[in-house]
Amino acid sequence: DQQVKQNSPSLSVQEGRISILNCDYTNSMFDYFLWYKKYPAEGPTFLISISSIKDKNEDGRFTVFLNKSAKHLSLHIVPSQPGDSAVYFCAASDGVGNNRKLIWGLGTSLAVNP
Amino acid sequence: DAGVTQSPTHLIKTRGQQVTLRCSPKSGHDTVSWYQQALGQGPQFIFQYYEEEERQRGNFPDRFSGHQFPNYSSELNVNALLLGDSALYLCASTPHRGIDSSTDTQYFGPGTRLTVL
Repeated sequence: DQQVKQNSPSLSVQEGRISILNCDYTNSMFDYFLWYKKYPAEGPTFLISISSIKDKNEDGRFTVFLNKSAKHLSLHIVPSQPGDSAVYFCAASDGVGNNRKLIWGLGTSLAVNP
Repeated sequence: DAGVTQSPTHLIKTRGQQVTLRCSPKSGHDTVSWYQQALGQGPQFIFQYYEEEERQRGNFPDRFSGHQFPNYSSELNVNALLLGDSALYLCASTPHRGIDSSTDTQYFGPGTRLTVL
């Protein structure tokens, strides 16, 4: 049973346009969400996170939006660049204090075309 | 500042064999988590170590075991390898916080690609 869902396995956008990656979750106890980017043959790299007490967090070209009532979050990349082409994973932090682990979606492969 | 390192990068084993993977956490981090990422899947949590003890565990059989050393580095051991154990094994580290703290971002190593033939 997938608690974190990324329903789009792939996304293709034009350079300079906005990329929107979506993520849904089922467990209302999740209180912290993260986006990771992964290139082939490398480990995931942390991109941006958001606490459930916020609805938006911005870092440069990357913005994450959280809609708690809909149990939905999205990652916006503006403007998209070819170097952004990678697999993006949405993850939710499950647990309390130090007994936390990450629950991951299946990932969305983003291709930014020049 | 060295990030999370893992060794080896690639490994090929046959069914029934045993394997040991190694991880050194990021400087200043003392908690290590291990994940298994099969092809086309997101990482699946195996277990987490802090103070040389396994603190929590995911849905993995006892064939998967680990260890943490006083310098915070960690090992993942898998016995009686199966074909289905072929995956990328990721190690992540975080600093330990108090029980009331906010979450910490986990930083990942490059992974060890295990192939079981």
